[in-house]
Amino acid sequence: QVQLVQSGAEVKKPGASVKISCKASGYTFTRYGIYWVRQAPGQSLEWMGWISAGPGNIKYSQKFQGRVTITRDTSANIAYMELSSLRSEDRAMYYCGRGVQGYAIDYWGQGTLVTVSS
Amino acid sequence: QSVLTQPPSVSGAPGQRVTISCTGNSSNIGTTYEIHWHQQLPGTAPKLLIYGYKNRPSGVPDRFSGSKSGTSASLAISPLQAEDEAVYYCQSYDDSAGVVFGGGTKLTVL
Repeated sequence: QVQLVQSGAEVKKPGASVKISCKASGYTFTRYGIYWVRQAPGQSLEWMGWISAGPGNIKYSQKFQGRVTITRDTSANIAYMELSSLRSEDRAMYYCGRGVQGYAIDYWGQGTLVTVSS
Repeated sequence: QSVLTQPPSVSGAPGQRVTISCTGNSSNIGTTYEIHWHQQLPGTAPKLLIYGYKNRPSGVPDRFSGSKSGTSASLAISPLQAEDEAVYYCQSYDDSAGVVFGGGTKLTVL
């Protein structure tokens, strides 16, 4: 079955970077894109960017452009999302999701909680 | 401020029908971009409920249905069950903003 398993919770200081992994299993990794979405406490979902199927083209939300880097390791079926220059407002649950037709996300990872605190 | 607008909350008794609206504009729902719905139970990751405005993934009960008209979409749940208590998000694509979500609607089962 399709599974996306994310790395564990992180605690970072302001100004630091965080890199979250998303390991995929149960399907051919390169046939689907991976989306990254975050959710601040009590807030809605917010798209950060994606890496496409096939050649792995990358698109970032304008809000995070310059601070976020999405990569993947096709040999290990892992996608990564790195967010830099962390501030307190970046405290959130970060999710990866498998992208399918029509920009839908059909499977979600379990989430990774990032806390930013001095 | 979300690009897609949803009511913050709706409620209904078991067995009733509830609908959740999602309003966009001509650069997202009003175009050819598809609309999807996700269900988020308390303390869990979202789960795809409806894709392509009306299609249910395998395993989603047919109590859940979706529709679209113009620049709006709706999710209907009938008959309502206690386990449907969750937050529901609509999702689409926007010419300017990329992938967009609604603000979420908390469904309370009375």
